[in-house]
Amino acid sequence: GAVVSQHPSRVICKSGTSVKIECRSLDFQATTMFWYRQFPKQSLMLMATSNEGSKATYEQGVEKDKFLINHASLTLSTLTVTSAHPEDSSFYICSARELAETSSYEQYFGPGTRLTVT
Amino acid sequence: GEDVEQSLFLSVREGDSSVINCTYTDSSSTYLYWYKQEPGAGLQLLTYIFSNMDMKQDQRLTVLLNKKDKHLSLRIADTQTGDSAIYFCAERNRGSTLGRLYFGRGTQLTVWP
Repeated sequence: GAVVSQHPSRVICKSGTSVKIECRSLDFQATTMFWYRQFPKQSLMLMATSNEGSKATYEQGVEKDKFLINHASLTLSTLTVTSAHPEDSSFYICSARELAETSSYEQYFGPGTRLTVT
Repeated sequence: GEDVEQSLFLSVREGDSSVINCTYTDSSSTYLYWYKQEPGAGLQLLTYIFSNMDMKQDQRLTVLLNKKDKHLSLRIADTQTGDSAIYFCAERNRGSTLGRLYFGRGTQLTVWP
């Protein structure tokens, strides 16, 4: 089955530093990748949608200069949290949709990255 | 915007059936999904149903869709302790060309031995 990986799985950083999270589709090509943020005991909040080779589309209220998304290839998208602050601490999850058109538009989710900003 | 609602908690005894309910507001929903999330992990797709179907069964899982009432349910037969997790209902509507999903808040299923 389709597998999506994220790296790192857990990261602790100091306030003011930047952190990069990678999302990779391991055995398929993904035209579209989604980045979500999940707070404890809450649902997934879509942050942005990225398409390979073009600029990401950010959801309302998400600062694009703070959460930089790069989708440079069909198997890799990165999310960089710039000048991180404690309120950016969260669980970040990516998902990827296959290049081949499937009627169900199935998304495959990564295992998530736990970011803690101290 | 699209609203997807779920009850937050459900507790059952091992061996019983679990029924997790979900309601949605978007009448143009085309696909509806059930995802499972275990602690500290990402989402695992359990099953999905197309909007022109009423029911879909896959081993212990049965999905029922009442399109008129915009109500979706997931029944887990013979629930096991390993089924304890958060279950998310999600929908994709006809207008979503990129396949964007709208999620409910998730139902925490606890299975007691």
